[in-house]
Amino acid sequence: QVQLVESGGGVVQPGRSLRLSCVASGFTFSNYAVHWVRQAPGKGLEWVAVISFDANKKYYADSVKGRFTISRDNSKDTVYLQMNSLRTEDTAAYYCARAAEIGDHLYRWFDPWGQGTLVTVSS
Amino acid sequence: DIVMTQSPDSLAVSLGERATFSCKSSQSILYSSNSKNYLAWYQQKPGQPPKLLIYWASTRESGVPDRFSGSGSGTDFTLTISSLQAEDVAVYYCQQYYDTPYTFGQGTKLEIK
Repeated sequence: QVQLVESGGGVVQPGRSLRLSCVASGFTFSNYAVHWVRQAPGKGLEWVAVISFDANKKYYADSVKGRFTISRDNSKDTVYLQMNSLRTEDTAAYYCARAAEIGDHLYRWFDPWGQGTLVTVSS
Repeated sequence: DIVMTQSPDSLAVSLGERATFSCKSSQSILYSSNSKNYLAWYQQKPGQPPKLLIYWASTRESGVPDRFSGSGSGTDFTLTISSLQAEDVAVYYCQQYYDTPYTFGQGTKLEIK
């Protein structure tokens, strides 16, 4: 079945870096855009970044622009989120989610979502 | 940025009764060229990722029970559960995908009265 699995979360000190991975299965990964969405403990959902199916388009939330980088390796069915200069306010569960429609459709709903990986930024 | 505002923040409804959630966008998310509203609804249960319920404001995702329905256009949208079941206890989020940054409402927590 269609599945996304995140990994790479953990506890990190402020100012340090972390790289998250999202491995896809059950569909032709190279045909879809992929998003990262985060959720701070007890809070709502915040979109973080998106990468198009061919990696030609990347967009970021202002809160992470210049610190986070989204990338993908279609040969490995994997999307990455490189997080640098981490702040305590980056503490959250990070979900990857697939764009709902095939091709160059960035402006679509998100489905499915992975189970998430927890990032804790603390000294 | 398009701001999504949901109301109420929390809702308590008796089993079998109707639950209604409101979502308002700070600008129209109706795309004139295709007459589609770029709005989705998600359900999130504790410890789980969000689950898609509705897209294009009123299209029910496959497998979602027909007691869930979405309506509205432009800037005002509604999610309705026609007859509340115990398994519907969750937080419900609306989201616009009309423009980046994609934005979510703050969520409405649904409980059993």
